[in-house]
Amino acid sequence: KQEVTQIPAALSVPEGENLVLNCSFTDSAIYNLQWFRQDPGKGLTSLLLIQSSQREQTSGRLNASLDKSSGRSTLYIAASQPGDSATYLCAVAGANSKLTFGKGITLSVRP
Amino acid sequence: DAGVTQSPTHLIKTRGQQVTLRCSPKSGHDTVSWYQQALGQGPQFIFQYYEEEERQRGNFPDRFSGHQFPNYSSELNVNALLLGDSALYLCASSFLDKAGVNTEAFFGQGTRLTVV
Repeated sequence: KQEVTQIPAALSVPEGENLVLNCSFTDSAIYNLQWFRQDPGKGLTSLLLIQSSQREQTSGRLNASLDKSSGRSTLYIAASQPGDSATYLCAVAGANSKLTFGKGITLSVRP
Repeated sequence: DAGVTQSPTHLIKTRGQQVTLRCSPKSGHDTVSWYQQALGQGPQFIFQYYEEEERQRGNFPDRFSGHQFPNYSSELNVNALLLGDSALYLCASSFLDKAGVNTEAFFGQGTRLTVV
């Protein structure tokens, strides 16, 4: 059974800091990994999708890496801003295409 | 493109009642998945529909059922509501590529269900 872990559960950083959010998963037989952002009480916004054959993806100030063999992914946020405050979730898709999520990391960026 | 749309946005039901939630997928998508998100938790997979058939199901009781229509829209039905069914219900859409794998999933804003 696939399990996804995101530690720590919460993070508070000053504005401007570069930060790394970690995600680990137990079964390396994945098809892809997605990072999502969720604002309080809202739905999920897809940030980055990494296919299993890829090592990283970049979008603006965001960079996600994937090491399938070790079961790890990181989301790097450059020059963090207060508007980046949200919960960040990672999810992996297996052969059956269902997404298995971690519990998320709640990020607070202090002005 | 309206993206994934869900209705209603909020709903309050009494224990024992039945509820129907609706989802319209992103244009061009043929697969709809439903997830339940309890407060402070990650979303949990309920089931997935493709070509009007339930393709796979998570660990949810038979009280949870669904349907997909020819236009790819979908409904989630929950019977005999329990207090523990209170959650944010999320719909995700994607399409099945040539390798039989679903592409990037896009989520709607969710329906907040409160059971009292």
